[in-house]
Amino acid sequence: GAVVSQHPSRVICKSGTSVKIECRSLDFQATTMFWYRQFPKQSLMLMATSNEGSKATYEQGVEKDKFLINHASLTLSTLTVTSAHPEDSSFYICSARGGGLSSGNTIYFGEGSWLTVV
Amino acid sequence: AQKITQTQPGMFVQEKEAVTLDCTYDTSDPSYGLFWYKQPSSGEMIFLIYQGSYDQQNATEGRYSLNFQKARKSANLVISASQLGDSAMYFCAMRGSRGYQKVTFGTGTKLQVIP
Repeated sequence: GAVVSQHPSRVICKSGTSVKIECRSLDFQATTMFWYRQFPKQSLMLMATSNEGSKATYEQGVEKDKFLINHASLTLSTLTVTSAHPEDSSFYICSARGGGLSSGNTIYFGEGSWLTVV
Repeated sequence: AQKITQTQPGMFVQEKEAVTLDCTYDTSDPSYGLFWYKQPSSGEMIFLIYQGSYDQQNATEGRYSLNFQKARKSANLVISASQLGDSAMYFCAMRGSRGYQKVTFGTGTKLQVIP
């Protein structure tokens, strides 16, 4: 079963509104989670590294004030797209490193979230 | 800086045949991990196989095997006995050993299995 859960899987919002996407690690603690964005038929692009209890580390070119990341607990990270515009429409996916010795090398991904801004 | 290169944008393979998906990488990290993921049209990322840079043997997971050639900096994925359900995008990725150990992805290879 899934070890990283992402919600919602699909969301449609009006231009100018904000939308929040949640990423939860199931049955393990993830001090670090990663948020990616994927445009159609392209690779995943890392947006930011989410760190529990501290500020996220953003990749170059990613607007911190537009893509707010909060890592409030060891099992939850949220990505909020503020004042969304149609060009923000994309597939957003989170990941977390597996917990425990047997799976510590594995990076697990959430199911992804399709965002459509109309 | 890390870089992953997948030179095959698309591949075709006959059902039940084996196929090799190419991946080369570049990094200055002393140790690193290499991954392969499968992404069907639904968008989810499915973990297939992992290879550590210091692992002595090539990783295998069922029909998947990773042909790791450290000197050539290549980590090709071999899928044996292809099935129709293997049709998907395949991404090679690398995790460094420094900092937050972020994962860098290649551009992907679209595999289509022909009946």
